[in-house]
This record gives sequence, C-alpha cells and structure tokens, in this order.
Amino acid sequence: DTGVSQDPRHKITKRGQNVTFRCDPISEHNRLYWYRQTLGQGPEFLTYFQNEAQLEKSRLLSDRFSAERPKGSFSTLEIQRTEQGDSAMYLCASSSPGGVYEQYFGPGTRLTVT
Amino acid sequence: QKEVEQDPGPLSVPEGAIVSLNCTYSNSAFQYFMWYRQYSRKGPELLMYTYSSGNKEDGRFTAQVDKSSKYISLFIRDSQPSDSATYLCATMNRDDKIIFGKGTRLHILP
Repeated sequence: DTGVSQDPRHKITKRGQNVTFRCDPISEHNRLYWYRQTLGQGPEFLTYFQNEAQLEKSRLLSDRFSAERPKGSFSTLEIQRTEQGDSAMYLCASSSPGGVYEQYFGPGTRLTVT
Repeated sequence: QKEVEQDPGPLSVPEGAIVSLNCTYSNSAFQYFMWYRQYSRKGPELLMYTYSSGNKEDGRFTAQVDKSSKYISLFIRDSQPSDSATYLCATMNRDDKIIFGKGTRLHILP
C-alpha cells in the first residue's frame, strides 16, 4: 500500500514565477482532491476529479490556478504568476468510489513565494 | 458563522489523562463526521468517521456525534506523548466536499 504521494515536498519560488505540483493517488481510488492549508487553519477545498473529469472548483481557485488529471491517475496543479498570498501547504487526497468520506491525504507540498 | 467551529487551543494535558476535543457545526443536513490527526508539517491522517448520531470506538479513541445540538466530540483515553498533534474535525456537505475546522493543537505532557 503506497498511499498518496506528492512531489515536490517543498518549493520556494519568486513572485511571478509559475509552479507545478504533482499528486499520485492510491491506485484504486477514482476521486482525487486538492486542498490548500495555511498556518493555523484547516484544509480548504480547491477542486476535485472523478476519474479524469474535474467536477467542481472552489471560488478560491482563481484563474491563475489550473488542475488536470489527464488519464484519471495522477494529477497536476499549476499556479501561474505566483503571488505571496499563494504561500501555503497544498494537499492532495484520494478516495474510493464507495467511500468519499474516507479521504486519504498525501504529505503535501509546501510552497513559499518570496 | 463558519460551518465548522473548533477551538484552536493549544490544549495541554498530562500523560495518561482523558482528552476531550470538541467541535460544533451549523448545517443540520450534514451526515458524515470525521476526525483527522495532523502532525507538524505532515498531511492529515483519517482517525475515524461516524455517520449520523451516536458513538464509535476504536482503541483509545471514541468519536461522538450529537445531531440535536450539532456537537462533535473526540475522546482520547490514556493519552500518550505520541498523541501530541493537531486534531481536525470535519464534516461532509451534500456536494461531497469535506469542510474542516481550524484544528485543535494538543500537547500531552510526559
């Protein structure tokens, strides 16, 4: 059981640069979620996929953010023209078809925008 | 009013004590309730979930939901220093989105 993996674990970038994060879910899970967590807060929902279809996006996800899951397996989250306010932990989670309330999280990617 | 309210703590208790962690929620339509544990700089780990009202026990952990008062609790018996973490309560809305509380930081003092 390999669990949910995320890459990179840490990313430091300068304001205005683009960054891309990758998430590999648990292999039999068809749902994949992205969350953002800032210090002292719980994770906040950004978007989720069922297989390759992106079913919902939060209003937190501005036009600078885009997520893909092209073959229904791994997913990428790209942030264009990063801003200091984008500094956060970006978490990925996955769940099985019958257990959407049992979401299993990866270790997260910590983004620092300088 | 936030959908899930949780006291951020920190909460410090001596080793071996019973810990009580609590949350309130606003929407009576919520049916699934979860507790996650998060160690520093790690992703949240699902501890347990309950459906509707009632209790659920797993080892030293007991989750309790009281839908009449919209109150969620997690009890930890015989607390250990390794239980020191942030505990996040969460619920799920009709759109299958998990809504988290802010988390309570718990310190178990040896």
